[in-house]
Amino acid sequence: AIQLTQSPSSLSASVGDRVTITCRASQGISSALAWYQQKPGKAPKLLIYDASSLESGVPSRFSGSGSGTDFTLTISSLQPEDFATYYCQQFNSYLPLTFGGGTKVEIK
Amino acid sequence: EVQLVESGGGLVQPGGSLRLSCAASGFTFSSYEMNWVRQAPGKGLEWVSYISSSGSTIYYADSVKGRFTISRDNAKNSLYLQMNSLRAEDTAVYYCASNIGGPAFDYWGQGTLVTVSS
Repeated sequence: AIQLTQSPSSLSASVGDRVTITCRASQGISSALAWYQQKPGKAPKLLIYDASSLESGVPSRFSGSGSGTDFTLTISSLQPEDFATYYCQQFNSYLPLTFGGGTKVEIK
Repeated sequence: EVQLVESGGGLVQPGGSLRLSCAASGFTFSSYEMNWVRQAPGKGLEWVSYISSSGSTIYYADSVKGRFTISRDNAKNSLYLQMNSLRAEDTAVYYCASNIGGPAFDYWGQGTLVTVSS
C-alpha cells in the first residue's frame, strides 16, 4: 500500500500568513494527488487535483505543486475561513486508495 | 446541482449488520464511479470501497474486505454499502463520494453516522 505522510500534523498561523503543508508518498505516484479541506462536522471539500490543478470555485490563494513522491499545498495569504484540517489523497492505486493523516491549521 | 444524500446509519451491536444508502441527483449517476469513505470520531479519512460506473469493478480496503459489500442500482440512482459482522472499530461517519470530474472525489454527501456498541 502507498503510504502518505503529511507534515506538520498541526500548525498555528495568523491571518495573512503564507502556509505550506507537505505530503510525501512512500513510492512514486506521478501527479495522482489531491488535496481536501475539511471543517468540523462537514464533509471534505476538494481543493486541488492532479497535484496542481485548482478545482473550480476554489480561491486562487490555494495552490499545489510536486510530482513523484513530494507534494506541497500552499495557502498564499491565510484567511479566517481557511482554518480547517487539510488532507492529501493519492489516486495512483486503488489497492488501496489512501489519505494522509491530516494537517490541522489553527489560529495563532 | 449535484447532490449525494446518505442514509441508513444508526446504532448497532457488535456482530450486527447495517445497510447504508446514498441517493444521487443532479448528474448522470450511471456514468460515474462511486466510493465510500469513513471517518472515525476525531480521526482522519479512510477510504472504504470503490465501484465502477457499471458495477463490474469493485475494490475494498483490507479492513472491511469480506464483511462489507458495495453495490449500486443505476436505475434508482443509488449507491449502497451492506455492512456485516460489524465491529467497534467500524464506528465512523460514512460518506459517499463521486468521481465526476476525474479520479479525485469532487462531490461528497453529508455523511451518516454508524455507531457499533453494545
